[in-house]
Amino acid sequence: GAGVSQSPSNKVTEKGKDVELRCDPISGHTALYWYRQSLGQGLEFLIYFQGNSAPDKSGLPSDRFSAERTGGSVSTLTIQRTQQEDSAVYLCASSPRLAGAGETQYFGPGTRLLVL
Amino acid sequence: GQQLNQSPQSMFIQEGEDVSMNCTSSSIFNTWLWYKQDPGEGPVLLIALYKAGELTSNGRLTAQFGITRKDSFLNISASIPSDVGIYFCAGQLYKAAGNKLTFGGGTRVLVKP
Repeated sequence: GAGVSQSPSNKVTEKGKDVELRCDPISGHTALYWYRQSLGQGLEFLIYFQGNSAPDKSGLPSDRFSAERTGGSVSTLTIQRTQQEDSAVYLCASSPRLAGAGETQYFGPGTRLLVL
Repeated sequence: GQQLNQSPQSMFIQEGEDVSMNCTSSSIFNTWLWYKQDPGEGPVLLIALYKAGELTSNGRLTAQFGITRKDSFLNISASIPSDVGIYFCAGQLYKAAGNKLTFGGGTRVLVKP
């Protein structure tokens, strides 16, 4: 079946504009995660969803970042008033559920965001 | 928060060589994972380790979960050109932010010119 998909694959925007990044998880996966990868760095956890709820938003870098998930499927990460330091690859992952061992997170290809 | 130190940051390989990389943490994890990321792609899981002391192989890859639960290593034997890429270790602590992954900084594997 299809893997995790993300759109757009690339986004160039001007400083101060809002952007929306979309993630389509693997069908049936209840857990969804957003990570950010700055150039040459490892991945930084942003937020996770169990179903439609996001119990922990503490990983979001600032209040300009928000995320939602509807219908237990598609998720949107929104960055308002973008800044140049927001430039990064934003990766989405999904897993079948929020259990303990064995719940592999499957990653999408990412959205490459460049803020000019 | 937890920090993962991954080393080396980069390495050059020659076909046929064995390579090794490792990660250490300031605190324990329940699970250690190793991912590989190719350019323009998301990370792909290579090996997952669930028990302290566990040694697991996947083809030419071997990884171990340290006894203290604070470290792990990955070995690649008889490297081939397609082993080039960035390798990430990741730790997982159950019930911490939905089993989020904490990643090391990556080891960039390059081919010797």
